Amino acid sequence: GQQLNQSPQSMFIQEGEDVSMNCTSSSIFNTWLWYKQDPGEGPVLLIALYKAGELTSNGRLTAQFGITRKDSFLNISASIPSDVGIYFCAGSPNAGNNRKLIWGLGTSLAVNP
Amino acid sequence: SAVISQKPSRDICQRGTSLTIQCQVDSQVTMMFWYRQQPGQSLTLIATANQGSEATYESGFVIDKFPISRPNLTFSTLTVSNMSPEDSSIYLCSVGTYTTGELFFGEGSRLTVL
Repeated sequence: GQQLNQSPQSMFIQEGEDVSMNCTSSSIFNTWLWYKQDPGEGPVLLIALYKAGELTSNGRLTAQFGITRKDSFLNISASIPSDVGIYFCAGSPNAGNNRKLIWGLGTSLAVNP
Repeated sequence: SAVISQKPSRDICQRGTSLTIQCQVDSQVTMMFWYRQQPGQSLTLIATANQGSEATYESGFVIDKFPISRPNLTFSTLTVSNMSPEDSSIYLCSVGTYTTGELFFGEGSRLTVL
């Protein structure tokens, strides 16, 4: 089935650094969602985006719905050890009542204290 | 968001046996979904659990292998039948809506098949 291209696949950074990851699709999307999954847990929704150009923050996290409607970015500022985990993007090309999600393959983030 | 509880949280099973995973939600929800996450992989939708009717399965998943029950608006079960080592995965229950696309997940059930 269709998948999103999520990059980078993994990142290893120093505490305090900023992080940026992105997802791209081959078709136009109407919804972009960003999730974080801690080891042994289910994914947790971080940010939801519904409009092209939309920029939304959740604490140190900021995500943007790309103006082309084919990509989205997630930035984490001043990383801390608890940011460790796998970040997934998910999106839907559909609108209305049929926003079935397509998932990226995840970005694994490691933070060195 | 709803609180979603899954049982068991993890299990080790023998090849050829079946295991039923339970999902309990603390409020009534219209749509419940079952996902599979193979080791180191992304999430794959198995099926939509429909209350009062047969589940809707995604391509590659069949009812004989993954029977699903949804007796009411707060509970669902997923059975993994005739298990093989390839079924070793995390199975996730989720609730949400196709209106916004937002999904909320349980903590997952980690299944290891020997």
